[in-house]
Amino acid sequence: KAGVTQTPRYLIKTRGQQVTLSCSPISGHRSVSWYQQTPGQGLQFLFEYFSETQRNKGNFPGRFSGRQFSNSRSEMNVSTLELGDSALYLCASSSGTSREAFFGQGTRLTVV
Amino acid sequence: DAKTTQPTSMDCAEGRAANLPCNHSTISGNEYVYWYRQIHSQGPQYIIHGLKNNETNEMASLIITEDRKSSTLILPHATLRDTAVYYCIVRVAFRAGGTSYGKLTFGQGTILTVHP
Repeated sequence: KAGVTQTPRYLIKTRGQQVTLSCSPISGHRSVSWYQQTPGQGLQFLFEYFSETQRNKGNFPGRFSGRQFSNSRSEMNVSTLELGDSALYLCASSSGTSREAFFGQGTRLTVV
Repeated sequence: DAKTTQPTSMDCAEGRAANLPCNHSTISGNEYVYWYRQIHSQGPQYIIHGLKNNETNEMASLIITEDRKSSTLILPHATLRDTAVYYCIVRVAFRAGGTSYGKLTFGQGTILTVHP
């Protein structure tokens, strides 16, 4: 069974640009969550999607948004990038009824 | 979600058992204890979870005290590959309707270093 796939693995963007990250969950999983990891703040929850609906949102500015498609794949978008958005962005999927979440390898975003 | 407290770092000799403690004194009756670990630059890996009974799987054992205010993750025979940050998380597993909560609230975790 394929795991959670995140693309791209690495990304370099310039301040003010926008970026879109993609996450393909494990086949059959309907819940996708996104996290940001930085050395200073650790792992922080961004948002969760289930059946194409945002079910929960963390404490991040509106520049961070996401969506989920009918095939459960999810994208997150960050607009007007700031230097502080440099981080490892992680996606996790779960079946919606299982109790564990499975993480992808993450996308390393660097804003210069 | 209830707050957890873990030691910042621990050491363990290869081949010995690693016992990682976690305090969660404000845990509610419907909250589970989860353990994840993160090896450098990789995504967190699920290890085990439990409600009130001790649990064991191929990776580890989870011992939860009777009052559920603390727990211990046990890696029975630690190897160098077990060197990682270990996170203890407490959360409700389900919401009404059967869909799980996706949110995991990570603390700083315990840096476990396994020595040869």
